[in-house]
Amino acid sequence: QQPVQSPQAVILREGEDAVINCSSSKALYSVHWYRQKHGEAPVFLMILLKGGEQKGHEKISASFNEKKQQSSLYLTASQLSYSGTYFCGTEEVGAGGTSYGKLTFGQGTILTVHP
Amino acid sequence: ETGVTQTPRHLVMGMTNKKSLKCEQHLGHNAMYWYKQSAKKPLELMFVYNFKEQTENNSVPSRFSPECPNSSHLFLHLHTLQPEDSALYLCASSQGNRANTGELFFGEGSRLTVL
Repeated sequence: QQPVQSPQAVILREGEDAVINCSSSKALYSVHWYRQKHGEAPVFLMILLKGGEQKGHEKISASFNEKKQQSSLYLTASQLSYSGTYFCGTEEVGAGGTSYGKLTFGQGTILTVHP
Repeated sequence: ETGVTQTPRHLVMGMTNKKSLKCEQHLGHNAMYWYKQSAKKPLELMFVYNFKEQTENNSVPSRFSPECPNSSHLFLHLHTLQPEDSALYLCASSQGNRANTGELFFGEGSRLTVL
């Protein structure tokens, strides 16, 4: 089942922070985050596995609350290079506690950073 | 350069044509994927192959026919397509397995236009 992202779009000035949320109605095994710039392929940012961990990637970090089936991506002190569409992808918990190996993406959040 | 190469980058075809999209990965991965990306819609998983075996067909119409002759190559054969099939078709690979997807490495996509 497709996860739901919010907000649909964010406009920032350089140096500002943003949070993008991803939620599912299903029990999740993992949450993935990708960024896609216009005309380019999506690029991997991070994976969070069930266990409620938080990960970081430069000034971009994320958390995963498996009880709520929610993940949030945090972008701090945004840079022009952060502009793009951010997708979360989710894998549902399957038999045996692992996933079905089926990654389903949300509709994306368009992030625009202005000078 | 992600290590995943897709050809052709652009394809225009009539509804009665037969064409194929090709994907090759040089990363030594064992899983390959086809995703469809339409305007204003999320990335849609189409097919998953693990060790050359198809492990996922996400209710894709039979006018799309995948082929995975080995772990490095993936094809998408197209025939009698409809205009609504016009989209960007993205190939990806990962070191994932049947239990979870792992980090996806995407190609730059094949932009398909059906007239």
